[in-house]
Order: sequence, then structure tokens, then C-alpha cells
Amino acid sequence: QKEVEQNSGPLSVPEGAIASLNCTYSDRVSQSFFWYRQYSGKSPELIMSIYSNGDKEDGRFTAQLNKASQYVSLLIRDSQPSDSATYLCAVNIRSNFGNEKLTFGTGTRLTIIP
Amino acid sequence: DTEVTQTPKHLVMGMTNKKSLKCEQHMGHRAMYWYKQKAKKPPELMFVYSYEKLSINESVPSRFSPECPNSSLLNLHLHALQPEDSALYLCASRLGETQYFGPGTRLLVL
Repeated sequence: QKEVEQNSGPLSVPEGAIASLNCTYSDRVSQSFFWYRQYSGKSPELIMSIYSNGDKEDGRFTAQLNKASQYVSLLIRDSQPSDSATYLCAVNIRSNFGNEKLTFGTGTRLTIIP
Repeated sequence: DTEVTQTPKHLVMGMTNKKSLKCEQHMGHRAMYWYKQKAKKPPELMFVYSYEKLSINESVPSRFSPECPNSSLLNLHLHALQPEDSALYLCASRLGETQYFGPGTRLLVL
């Protein structure tokens, strides 16, 4: 089982609709969860971080965390063409040596259709 | 301010060349990272420096040599690279639990 799993997509959503991106992770003790947006040819840009169960909202973005189900999601409301990008789910996972590593899913490619 | 800068933006090198990538941050972050990212793949951790000491080396070949001269600067020295090393090289620094990425250096090895 991969440590962080995402549906690679592509996910196509009409402009103005809600885009829903999902991620599951394997390490039950993980405490820090992140969503990065990456445009083609650019570096990852932090969109949201979440540490507690429940929802966290920032503008059009809402991150949802359920530690019991080991599930984290990102909702994008009123989707815009500029939201078209790859979204990377990332989790701080403790290695066997006690170090924490930011472990990425494979990314979901999102396309917003005008 | 969460700016991490990287130079150069692009680099083309031959397999016998020696070159260096540079990363800077002036935010007082004490952990800095090098990642390698191939097309359509997530970033892959290479090295971690914590308080200017190398704390993680993800079994990276010795043709990649990291250096942290001070708390603001991170270098990656490159020597005798292979064409398969062509990728986007990302630097990141960490504040609390969060990593912030620089714009990356696009490396092409011929």
C-alpha cells in the first residue's frame, strides 16, 4: 500500500462548479496534512494545511480531515479556469529512523472547463 | 514572507561538467531540503539539512553533493551527471510543520 494515495485523474469540472479532490494515507500517527497546487513547469505552491479533524476554510478552498478514516480532501468552490493544475496531497510521515518526511501522493490533474 | 530563491532557473550541462545549484532563504528557517522532480511525478526527497547539518540522505548517488555553508544558503554540487538526472530540482525550507518551495532549477544533462 502506498503511503499517500490520490486518484491521478484527469478530473474535469465545469467552471463555477465544486471540484472535490481526495487523498488517503497509511500512517495512523500522522499529524500534518497539506495541499499543494502545481502548474505545469512550475514548483509546488502551498494552498492549505490542516492538522485537526474537521473542516478548514480559506477563501474558495476548504480542506477536510478525518483521521479515523485516514482521509483528507480539498474542495474548490466556484472553480475557475486558473484552478486548472495538478494538486498534490502531502503528509508528514515518520520514518523507521524517527525522522519526519513530507510524503507526496502522485497528484490529481484538475481541468476546469469554461 | 515565505520566499525561497533558486539559481539558476535553467541549466544545461554535459556529462563531464561540474556545476552547482544554489538556494537561499532569509526567513530564519532552520531546515532546508533538496528534491528532484521528474515530469508527471511528485517531488522526490534527496537531502535534508537541519540546523546546517545533514540529517537525511535518501541514498542519493555521490555525483550529487549537498552543502549548507550557513543557515540561509544551500548548495547542490553536480558532477558527472547522467542524462537520466535531467529533472526539476526543487529547494524547500521549513517553518513549523510547513515546507515552502522555491521556483526550482530545470536541469538538462546532455
